[in-house]
Amino acid sequence: QSVLTQPPSVSGAPGQRVTISCTGNSSNIGAPYDVHWYQQLPGRAPKLLIYGDNYRPSGVPDRFSGSKSGTSASLAIAGLQAEDEAEYYCQSYDRSLSGHVFGSGTNVTVL
Amino acid sequence: QVQLQESGPGLVKPSETLSLTCSVSGGSIDRRSYFWGWIRQPPGKGLEWIGSIYYNGSSYYNPSLKSRVALSSDTSTNQFSLRLTSVTAADTAVYYCARQWGRRLAFYHYGMDVWGQGTTVTVSS
Repeated sequence: QSVLTQPPSVSGAPGQRVTISCTGNSSNIGAPYDVHWYQQLPGRAPKLLIYGDNYRPSGVPDRFSGSKSGTSASLAIAGLQAEDEAEYYCQSYDRSLSGHVFGSGTNVTVL
Repeated sequence: QVQLQESGPGLVKPSETLSLTCSVSGGSIDRRSYFWGWIRQPPGKGLEWIGSIYYNGSSYYNPSLKSRVALSSDTSTNQFSLRLTSVTAADTAVYYCARQWGRRLAFYHYGMDVWGQGTTVTVSS
């Protein structure tokens, strides 16, 4: 059971905006340690989508955005596209566990 | 462009030692800005951080695996390696190596910006 809690699934129609929450506590997101987001397509390695809470690596569409407040973080996907169907993970550091931790993962479905 | 590639046996017997190597191309592992890490993903499950190593050999390990894990690096071959002892079926997973970096240059703030494609390791007799 992960210390970073994500909803198991979210869905939306093409073109809609969806958000994925990542809830932690004062030992991780609220410490505050940076939060990062990854996209994992089926059968593929994870890909960095957002780093440092809200920065996009080169090549990541600006439809993806990150935010953080207190002990929670969020990933927003605007203008949802079929290619966005994937598993999404948040990641941070936890000082109580003395290590990097991942969220439980959220499956995004495009209706 | 940095690329990472995992290699090692795909099948390991219970109680034996799992050994994997990550070969890095397009960049040197002795750059001070980066850590180099291992992450695994059991079938149908989420991601688990195993451990990370710095260019000078300093290592951090997941406390839940610390007694069984050792990381090493070889700057002459630009590779870093994972050893996991006394494996059981619970260690069956896809194992990824990754470069770790962050906008704030401290290990606690690091994410994984470049990943290998992953290698499947099955623990079975």
